[in-house]
Amino acid sequence: DVKVTQSSRYLVKRTGEKVFLECVQDMDHENMFWYRQDPGLGLRLIYFSYDVKMKEKGDIPEGYSVSREKKERFSLILESASTNQTSMYLCASSFIRGTTGELFFGEGSRLTVL
Amino acid sequence: KQEVTQIPAALSVPEGENLVLNCSFTDSAIYNLQWFRQDPGKGLTSLLLIQSSQREQTSGRLNASLDKSSGRSTLYIAASQPGDSATYLCAVMGGGNKLTFGTGTQLKVEL
Repeated sequence: DVKVTQSSRYLVKRTGEKVFLECVQDMDHENMFWYRQDPGLGLRLIYFSYDVKMKEKGDIPEGYSVSREKKERFSLILESASTNQTSMYLCASSFIRGTTGELFFGEGSRLTVL
Repeated sequence: KQEVTQIPAALSVPEGENLVLNCSFTDSAIYNLQWFRQDPGKGLTSLLLIQSSQREQTSGRLNASLDKSSGRSTLYIAASQPGDSATYLCAVMGGGNKLTFGTGTQLKVEL
């Protein structure tokens, strides 16, 4: 079975702190994604990556950056956390570049910024 | 811009009932459509993936159909069980590898 693991299920941070959210997949997937999910707004794409060291902006990249130094790992970075970044963050991965295949999600990381 | 709508937003049914969840999308130029299940506070679990060239996919008690020309997909759940209670989301993959999600249908199956 495909496994997408997010390092932290729950985090509480203070405004201005730097936050790292880690995601690891074990299926040698090329594509990896970071979404945030908010009530009434659904899932919104923050960043995605097709390969190591590659990254592309999604719909809401402001306030975030990403890093993909190894194929299996995709990190989301909040340089200076703000209260409006309180949310559920979901990492996903998929196989096949181009016309993508099935998307697999991690369990989510619920971030609260005080 | 692709828009994905799921109706109804919430549904409550008695155990054992067969039910249909609906998903509609505005741009028929899609690569695939995927149905997910999400339990409260958890991530999304993939249920079924239908490629644009396919008409339906089946897994156990679940059957998903796709009518690209009319911009519709349905998820049929047979003999519903309380364990099926969750939020069900559909997502379509369009050009540029953009996945657009619907807002979900919250299903409750009652004993």
